[in-house]
Order: sequence, then C-alpha cells, then structure tokens
Amino acid sequence: NAGVTQTPKFQVLKTGQSMTLQCAQDMNHEYMSWYRQDPGMGLRLIHYSVGAGITDQGEVPNGYNVSRSTTEDFPLRLLSAAPSQTSVYFCASSQAAWGYGYTFGSGTRLTVV
Amino acid sequence: AQTVTQSQPEMSVQEAETVTLSCTYDTSENNYYLFWYKQPPSRQMILVIRQEAYKQQNATENRFSVNFQKAAKSFSLKISDSQLGDTAMYFCAFMRYNNNDMRFGAGTRLTVKP
Repeated sequence: NAGVTQTPKFQVLKTGQSMTLQCAQDMNHEYMSWYRQDPGMGLRLIHYSVGAGITDQGEVPNGYNVSRSTTEDFPLRLLSAAPSQTSVYFCASSQAAWGYGYTFGSGTRLTVV
Repeated sequence: AQTVTQSQPEMSVQEAETVTLSCTYDTSENNYYLFWYKQPPSRQMILVIRQEAYKQQNATENRFSVNFQKAAKSFSLKISDSQLGDTAMYFCAFMRYNNNDMRFGAGTRLTVKP
C-alpha cells in the first residue's frame, strides 16, 4: 500500500509564482486535509475535505486553494507565493468514522524566496 | 476553538529510563479524541497512541502509555525503557467527537541519550 503520496518533496519558488502541491491516497479515505508545519507552532490546518466535491477552510486558509474532484486526490494550490508561505506542508487522510487519527504523507518542504 | 498546549519545548532522557511528556487542552466538549504523534528526523508523522475521552481506562501501546485526566484536561505521554529510536518531535493532538478536524500542540523535542 502506498498510503498517502505527496509530490514534490522539495520545492523552491520565487515570490509571486504559483504552484500545486499534489496529494493522493489509495485507502479510499473520505476525509483529507492539508496542514502546514512551522517551528514552534505545530501543525496548522489549511483546508480539508469530507468527500469528493466538498471542501472547507481550516485555521490558515488565506493564499491557498483546494478542490476535490475524486476521492483519491486533494491538490493544494498556491496562487501567488509569498515568503510567509515558506513551510513544510503535510497532506493527511482518514476514514469517515471519527477518531481513527490520520495517515500522513511524507511532507513537502517549500521555500519561497 | 480548541487549543492544545505542550509546555515542554525540549526534553532529554537517558537510554532505558522513563520520560513523561505533558499536554493540556482546552475544550467545552464532553466527547472527543486525543492523540500522540511522533515525528522522527525523517519528517514522517507516526501515530503513537490514541485515547477516547469517554473511556476512563488509560491507553497503552507497548512502551507507550498515557495518563488521561479528563477533569484537569491533561493528557501526558509516558515512554518507558527509552530507546535511541524514540528521539523525535512528539505532538499532542485533539479531535472533536463529530468532526475530523484535528488540532495540534506546538510539539516537544525529545532526545534519548546513550
């Protein structure tokens, strides 16, 4: 089982550029989410989805867009990158039943210069 | 909104000894879930242990156990017989009963010394 696959693992962007972080899971999980991890702040929720066609905002959604056209995929789009978006990004998924915890991808380290 | 606080940014322990990591949380909910995640230098997030708030019995997974004090809103992690491979960041996390939104603490960096 591949679990949750994130690409790329590393990325450097210039301020103002756009890009998409890819996330795919093969466990038929309904719930998927994106977090960013910054030193001293833990993981903060950006956006999440409870199923195909349904997305919602988390704690820190500004500057990011998401869509969920299939159960498997949940891409995160940076529309116009800013240095404040330099972070490590994690995609996670879980079963629809609550309380089972998440399966995480291996993360993407993004640097915006 | 729920908040999760880990008051120990860094801790260290000698190999084979026991260490306890602290976590407190704030919520008005009665039913919820609590988790501890481990993040080694590889960056991968690994679920260590989970606790259901409506269960009074503390969860245990091999060398890892929790002390869940619901009234005090405290959820500490005890690692027994510490091993070098336990060196990692440890995150405490909270999830409401009817919501998959998980909130994390800032983390505790644990170093196991030989």
